[in-house]
Amino acid sequence: GAVVSQHPSRVICKSGTSVKIECRSLDFQATTMFWYRQFPKQSLMLMATSNEGSKATYEQGVEKDKFLINHASLTLSTLTVTSAHPEDSSFYICSAPPLGVNTEAFFGQGTRLTVV
Amino acid sequence: AQTVTQSQPEMSVQEAETVTLSCTYDTSESDYYLFWYKQPPSRQMILVIRQEAYKQQNATENRFSVNFQKAAKSFSLKISDSQLGDAAMYFCAYRSPNYGGSQGNLIFGKGTKLSVKP
Repeated sequence: GAVVSQHPSRVICKSGTSVKIECRSLDFQATTMFWYRQFPKQSLMLMATSNEGSKATYEQGVEKDKFLINHASLTLSTLTVTSAHPEDSSFYICSAPPLGVNTEAFFGQGTRLTVV
Repeated sequence: AQTVTQSQPEMSVQEAETVTLSCTYDTSESDYYLFWYKQPPSRQMILVIRQEAYKQQNATENRFSVNFQKAAKSFSLKISDSQLGDAAMYFCAYRSPNYGGSQGNLIFGKGTKLSVKP
């Protein structure tokens, strides 16, 4: 199947700093990528939809100024957690549906963010 | 808005036995996609099986099969001949059809933690 590469897999940062997470589709193009957040022992919740060449769409309750999303090309989307705080500690995972494929999306490996 | 419900937070099965994980969903759409994803401790999301709503035939993938009841909005996963490697979180997910070039996100249930006893 198609491969989505997400990194870093783990990151620890200090409170107040920013962290960038990258999501790349390695062997296909994706005009859309989805960013999810997963708290321990909970389900995946959609945070935002990243659109190549246009602004991201954020879900209700997600601060767009805190979670900056950039979809620079058809194979790369980035999520930047700005001025991180301990409550931002979570597991972030991206997924990308290949262009023209109307069935499934492929997931990155996820990023465990710990803010100390 | 669509919702997905998994009513079993945890399930346990003996190795080589069969287990069924439940999932129900709510939607007003007539066409959609349903998925079961497995999330092992590594937290990588792995697609187990998918079902197109317009297909009446239940999907099967080796030891994994689904019981798709469209009228009842039910989509259960049956794992036959359970193996130790099947132990994981299992998420049921719903996806709207792809209209006009937009590609819908997945809506997940809360998950079922499956344990496999040797």
